[in-house]
Amino acid sequence: KAGVTQTPRYLIKTRGQQVTLSCSPISGHRSVSWYQQTPGQGLQFLFEYFSETQRNKGNFPGRFSGRQFSNSRSEMNVSTLELGDSALYLCASSPGQGAVGSPLHFGNGTRLTVT
Amino acid sequence: DAKTTQPTSMDCAEGRAANLPCNHSTISGNEYVYWYRQIHSQGPQYIIHGLKNNETNEMASLIITEDRKSSTLILPHATLRDTAVYYCIVVEYYGNNRLAFGKGNQVVVIP
Repeated sequence: KAGVTQTPRYLIKTRGQQVTLSCSPISGHRSVSWYQQTPGQGLQFLFEYFSETQRNKGNFPGRFSGRQFSNSRSEMNVSTLELGDSALYLCASSPGQGAVGSPLHFGNGTRLTVT
Repeated sequence: DAKTTQPTSMDCAEGRAANLPCNHSTISGNEYVYWYRQIHSQGPQYIIHGLKNNETNEMASLIITEDRKSSTLILPHATLRDTAVYYCIVVEYYGNNRLAFGKGNQVVVIP
């Protein structure tokens, strides 16, 4: 079974631009979660989607948004990029019905650098 | 916020058992203990989880104290490829996937 796939692997953007990151979950998984990882803050939860609906949202500004498609693939978008948005963005999938017995499967992330 | 406390870092000898401690003194009855690890430049990888009984799989063993306030992850024969940041987290039964990872424990396996 193929794992979680994130594209692109690396991305360089300029302040003020916007960016879209893509995530393909493991086949059959209906939940997709997004996390931001920085050296200072560690892994922080952004949001989770299940069956095309946002099920949970972390404490990030509205510039961070996401969506999920009918095939469970997900995208996240960051608008008006700031230098502090430079981070590793991780996507994780799970079958969906709660966390117990269905641990998260992470992709290797998209490394975003904002200059 | 993370509900667990782990050492910031530790070294382990290659070929020996590595015992990684975790405190979760405020764990509630409906919360499981999960362990993940993150090898450099990769996403976190699930290792094992448990409620109150000891658990073992092909990667590791998990020992949870009777009062559930602490646990130990055991890597039976540490290899250089086990060098990683190890995260101990608590996850609510039937909870969501909003996980609070904390800073983790940087484990270095030394030859």
